[in-house]
Amino acid sequence: DAGITQSPRHKVTETGTPVTLRCHQTENHRYMYWYRQDPGHGLRLIHYSYGVKDTDKGEVSDGYSVSRSKTEDFLLTLESATSSQTSVYFCAISYEAGRDTGELFFGEGSRLTVL
Amino acid sequence: AQSVTQLDSHVSVSEGTPVLLRCNYSSSYSPSLFWYVQHPNKGLQLLLKYTSAATLVKGINGFEAEFKKSETSFHLTKPSAHMSDAAEYFCVVKGGADGLTFGKGTHLIIQP
Repeated sequence: DAGITQSPRHKVTETGTPVTLRCHQTENHRYMYWYRQDPGHGLRLIHYSYGVKDTDKGEVSDGYSVSRSKTEDFLLTLESATSSQTSVYFCAISYEAGRDTGELFFGEGSRLTVL
Repeated sequence: AQSVTQLDSHVSVSEGTPVLLRCNYSSSYSPSLFWYVQHPNKGLQLLLKYTSAATLVKGINGFEAEFKKSETSFHLTKPSAHMSDAAEYFCVVKGGADGLTFGKGTHLIIQP
C-alpha cells in the first residue's frame, strides 16, 4: 500500500481561527490532492499539486490555500475557519508517480469541526 | 464538461444475493471510469477502472462493471453479497485532461 498520512485526524476549532491540515506521502509521487467530503455531495476537489511549488485550484477552493515546499508534504490551510468548512478532508496521491491517471490512493481523512 | 449520476442513494440486499449499483455518466471525451469503495471512517479505495480496453472490467473482492457506451452507463455488480461489502460506493468519471468528477455515492446495506 502507498504510504500516506494525514494529521491531525480530528480537530475541533472555533470560527475565525486558522487551521492547517498536513498530508505526508512516502511514495515520491508528483500529484497530490485535497478533497472535502460532505453528505449528499460526494467528494469535491479543493486544490491539487503537480509538483513542488506547483498548485492549482479545484472546484471549491474559496477560503482555502495550499502549499507544497517538498515532494512529500502538501498542506491545506484555512486562514479563518467558518462553520461551512466543517467537513471530512481527504488527501490523495496519484497511483503513478508522474502522471494524473485518475487512479488515486487516499489517506484516512481528517475530520474538522468548526464551532 | 462531464458529470456522473448514481441512480440510487441507498441499496439494501440480503447476504448471498446479487448486488447492482447503477451509474450513468456524461463526458465530451472518451472517458475513464472508476468505482471506489469507502468503508466506515476510512479513505476511498479503488475497486476497478475502465480505460478503453475491455468493456467488462473485473475488480477486487469479486466486483465487476460493464462499460456500455450506447447507454452511457457503468453499473457495478457482484454475484453474491457478503457482509463485508457494506460500505459507500462512488462512481467516478475522468474525461480527457479534466480532473475527476465523483458521484454522490451509494450506500450499500447487507441484510443478514
